[in-house]
Amino acid sequence: KNEVEQSPQNLTAQEGEFITINCSYSVGISALHWLQQHPGGGIVSLFMLSSGKKKHGRLIATINIQEKHSSLHITASHPRDSAVYICAVPEYGNKLVFGAGTILRVKS
Amino acid sequence: DTGVSQNPRHKITKRGQNVTFRCDPISEHNRLYWYRQTLGQGPEFLTYFQNEAQLEKSRLLSDRFSAERPKGSFSTLEIQRTEQGDSAMYLCASSLSGENSPLHFGNGTRLTVT
Repeated sequence: KNEVEQSPQNLTAQEGEFITINCSYSVGISALHWLQQHPGGGIVSLFMLSSGKKKHGRLIATINIQEKHSSLHITASHPRDSAVYICAVPEYGNKLVFGAGTILRVKS
Repeated sequence: DTGVSQNPRHKITKRGQNVTFRCDPISEHNRLYWYRQTLGQGPEFLTYFQNEAQLEKSRLLSDRFSAERPKGSFSTLEIQRTEQGDSAMYLCASSLSGENSPLHFGNGTRLTVT
């Protein structure tokens, strides 16, 4: 079974700071998901990537398949970015194994 | 399309009662997943359906839990004789077939067993 580790568990940043959240997994995968969960509980898919880098607005996700590691970066962070960020990898098919999440709080 | 819809959003029940949750996936999605999330943890897989067939159940899903997707559209998750340990957020997600098809999540049903 794939083990997914995220760091840090908690992160507090000042508005405008550059943020990095890391994810490591134990078994080779075809794609990795980054998800965002707000206090209400709903989960939104941010990225699904299998190689290299993807960018969407102020969010950038990178993955190194050889090192089994991915990072999620947020540039020019804003209080509305405050949420739980979760990485997940497929065990098989679309059955996902999730990390415990990183709780991000951006202060104004 | 309104995305994945879950009802109810919140459910408070007394220990020993039965509860049922409903998930309406995105209409063309043939895969439907149920996950459970407790405070401070990532979601844990419970079960998934390909159309109406339940293809896998986690060992987390005790005999008190049953899920159905009778017509390959909406799904229900029933918990019988609820226990306090069942208190959690129950999340539903759907996708098309294919290993790298994006998952779309509902807002979840938060269950509190008193």
